[in-house]
Amino acid sequence: DSGVTQTPKHLITATGQRVTLRCSPRSGDLSVYWYQQSLDQGLQFLIQYYNGEERAKGNILERFSAQQFPDLHSELNLSSLELGDSALYFCASSVMGDEQFFGPGTRLTVL
Amino acid sequence: AQTVTQSQPEMSVQEAETVTLSCTYDTSESDYYLFWYKQPPSRQMILVIRQEAYKQQNATENRFSVNFQKAAKSFSLKISDSQLGDAAMYFCAYDSNYQLIWGAGTKLIIKP
Repeated sequence: DSGVTQTPKHLITATGQRVTLRCSPRSGDLSVYWYQQSLDQGLQFLIQYYNGEERAKGNILERFSAQQFPDLHSELNLSSLELGDSALYFCASSVMGDEQFFGPGTRLTVL
Repeated sequence: AQTVTQSQPEMSVQEAETVTLSCTYDTSESDYYLFWYKQPPSRQMILVIRQEAYKQQNATENRFSVNFQKAAKSFSLKISDSQLGDAAMYFCAYDSNYQLIWGAGTKLIIKP
């Protein structure tokens, strides 16, 4: 157990819908990262937050947004969902910029 | 832009034998981190080993060790005394300004 929690574990929804994925980092970790793992594009970095502020942005679509709250948990919002958004979404956390610990992931299926 | 290449989509090894997974990367930076992560069928991403580029000594963690060749930009993972529990996808990753750049992964099969 990495200490990073993600909810829900599974999510099934329809195209055009909006979902929110939640992540709680390890105790003491200030950085949260979001990654997408899909069959066709592999693992991709989406976005990073550090102590509530956006620190780095990767291949995140405009339909996706994230935030980190004062209690350091983070949410990834995915809207206008398309079939291609079906993937495993990982959250990871670290103290600052060192070793990242991964949560169990949320499997999103868009029908 | 940094890239990570794992040229072996799949590898197999006999239980108790040794196997080496390859990884090459491209970067213009001089200081960085490299990682090997393991993803078993449970899909959990587990850190196996990490290497800091400024350290010349190769990292080791029990049965896992790396061969880090900075000039060649090569970072291979050696697994000794392979066990059935080592069967998984193995991903090489490069730390670029706190975001991980990933290779495509190598599926490791352990033959009993």
